[in-house]
Amino acid sequence: GDSVTQMEGPVTLSEEAFLTINCTYTATGYPSLFWYVQYPGEGLQLLLKATKADDKGSNKGFEATYRKETTSFHLEKGSVQVSDSAVYFCALRSNYQLIWGAGTKLIIKP
Amino acid sequence: DSGVTQTPKHLITATGQRVTLRCSPRSGDLSVYWYQQSLDQGLQFLIQYYNGEERAKGNILERFSAQQFPDLHSELNLSSLELGDSALYFCASSVGGGGSRAFSEAFFGQGTRLTVV
Repeated sequence: GDSVTQMEGPVTLSEEAFLTINCTYTATGYPSLFWYVQYPGEGLQLLLKATKADDKGSNKGFEATYRKETTSFHLEKGSVQVSDSAVYFCALRSNYQLIWGAGTKLIIKP
Repeated sequence: DSGVTQTPKHLITATGQRVTLRCSPRSGDLSVYWYQQSLDQGLQFLIQYYNGEERAKGNILERFSAQQFPDLHSELNLSSLELGDSALYFCASSVGGGGSRAFSEAFFGQGTRLTVV
């Protein structure tokens, strides 16, 4: 079945560092791909999405490109801030539901 | 504020008991999804309803059941509770139901934290 694999956390970075969180997927066809973020004590919220190959989703300085050839959707940000500390989930749409990665906890130190 | 409302925010109950979690979706959203988030299992999809009908089922135990009412709010019933059921339960809603219908994103509530003692 369809699945999503994310890099394990926690990922700890210093403020202004470059961020990459890897996400790869297994799916039939070309599913829509999503990154959700969960800040401490809150629900998940959509960070960005891409609906077809080579699409780039971007929001709040974060970017991810839908790479069909490598079945990947890695999340990147050029300069992270302390306020980016959260858990990040990669997901794909499969029929009527979202298939989720395990989540990657990101810790940004000042 | 996502527009999805979950009540209660916190719930503490004893093993063997039954509880009901409530979710009001965003205005206009026809789909409701229930998820369980625990430390060891991560985010698990439980069940989805679309316009009152069950659309998809995930890792939902037989002790758990859900329904979506005509006004589109949904309830998740958890019975014969065990210590391992302690988790954060999220509800999400979306405009479409997936498949051939439009699906842009799911909006999540803030969750109900269930503690079974």
